[in-house]
Amino acid sequence: AQRVTQPEKLLSVFKGAPVELKCNYSYSGSPELFWYVQYSRQRLQLLLRHISRESIKGFTADLNKGETSFHLKKPFAQEEDSAMYYCALSDSGSARQLTFGSGTQLTVLP
Amino acid sequence: ETGVTQSPTHLIKTRGQQVTLRCSSQSGHNTVSWYQQALGQGPQFIFQYYREEENGRGNFPPRFSGLQFPNYSSELNVNALELDDSALYLCASSFGLVSYNEQFFGPGTRLTVL
Repeated sequence: AQRVTQPEKLLSVFKGAPVELKCNYSYSGSPELFWYVQYSRQRLQLLLRHISRESIKGFTADLNKGETSFHLKKPFAQEEDSAMYYCALSDSGSARQLTFGSGTQLTVLP
Repeated sequence: ETGVTQSPTHLIKTRGQQVTLRCSSQSGHNTVSWYQQALGQGPQFIFQYYREEENGRGNFPPRFSGLQFPNYSSELNVNALELDDSALYLCASSFGLVSYNEQFFGPGTRLTVL
């Protein structure tokens, strides 16, 4: 069975400091991995997906199949980055269901 | 282009009752997935509908059922409500079944079972 683990429920950093949100997964096949974000009073939205190898709002995430990790990183955190972040895995079955981690609440302090 | 909408916003039911939650897909989307999000947890997949057929199901009992209509809107029905069904219910729409296609989420329906 697939599983996504986000070990930190809460993470606080100061503005301008680097930030890394950890995500580990277990899945027997080839996973598709995503980071979703939920800003205060907004709906859940896609931040980035590994297949696109993109940088969104300064965030990047690299899939490490050896360590089964997909950590989210940003070199210089901004106050507007404060939000709940969810790592998610999509399986290769027909439903392409998303399996989410329990989320990390990031707070960027001024 | 309108986003995903859900109704009602909040709902209070008592144990044993039945509930129907509704979701309107984003324009052009033909796939709807439903998730349950308990307090402090990430969303958990309930099931998915593609072109009016159930296309996958998570680890939820049969009292959780759904429908998708020709306009791709969807319903989630829960029978014999239990206290543990109290949660935020999210629907998400997307186009097709490609795994890396973005799922667009609605604002959710908060269900409280007393």
